[in-house]
Amino acid sequence: DAGVTQSPTHLIKTRGQQVTLRCSPKSGHDTVSWYQQALGQGPQFIFQYYEEEERQRGNFPDRFSGHQFPNYSSELNVNALLLGDSALYLCASSSIRGKSGPDTQYFGPGTRLTVL
Amino acid sequence: AQSVTQPDIHITVSEGASLELRCNYSYGATPYLFWYVQSPGQGLQLLLKYFSGDTLVQGIKGFEAEFKRSQSSFNLRKPSVHWSDAAEYFCAVGLNTNAGKSTFGDGTTLTVKP
Repeated sequence: DAGVTQSPTHLIKTRGQQVTLRCSPKSGHDTVSWYQQALGQGPQFIFQYYEEEERQRGNFPDRFSGHQFPNYSSELNVNALLLGDSALYLCASSSIRGKSGPDTQYFGPGTRLTVL
Repeated sequence: AQSVTQPDIHITVSEGASLELRCNYSYGATPYLFWYVQSPGQGLQLLLKYFSGDTLVQGIKGFEAEFKRSQSSFNLRKPSVHWSDAAEYFCAVGLNTNAGKSTFGDGTTLTVKP
């Protein structure tokens, strides 16, 4: 059973560029959450996708956007990159459908984004 | 809004010694609490979770954590640390309906001395 996968592993961009990160959830999961982890800090929630819609959003500007596809995979897009966007971007999957309570989320290995 | 504080940025213990990592949370409702471990360059692995019931929860790799509502704490413990436990540990609090939107502490880095 494949876990959560993310691509690419590493990425280097320059200020002002745009980037797309990809995530495939664990088999059987329908929900994808994205987190940004800056160096020396804990992950910060960016947003969550379920049923191809953004359901929850953290305190991130509109430069951060996403998408979820019918197969539950997801993309994170960041426009007009800033130096401060350099971080490890983590994707986590979980299952909401049919649940009456909380579920456990499983994390991918992350994409390391460096903005020069 | 919920928040999580991990007071210890860095802890060093000798191999075979006991370990306790502290976590304090702030949340207005019944908290759903998690401990994760992150090895260098890797994603987060769930060690254990507390949703309800017994306040002492057992996790993987010999870890356990105790939920104390009166102290707003969820400390992680291990009776005997192994060198392979060296990593960064994160405590998190999740919404009662959606673990996907979790708030994390800033982590505690564990170093294990031989």
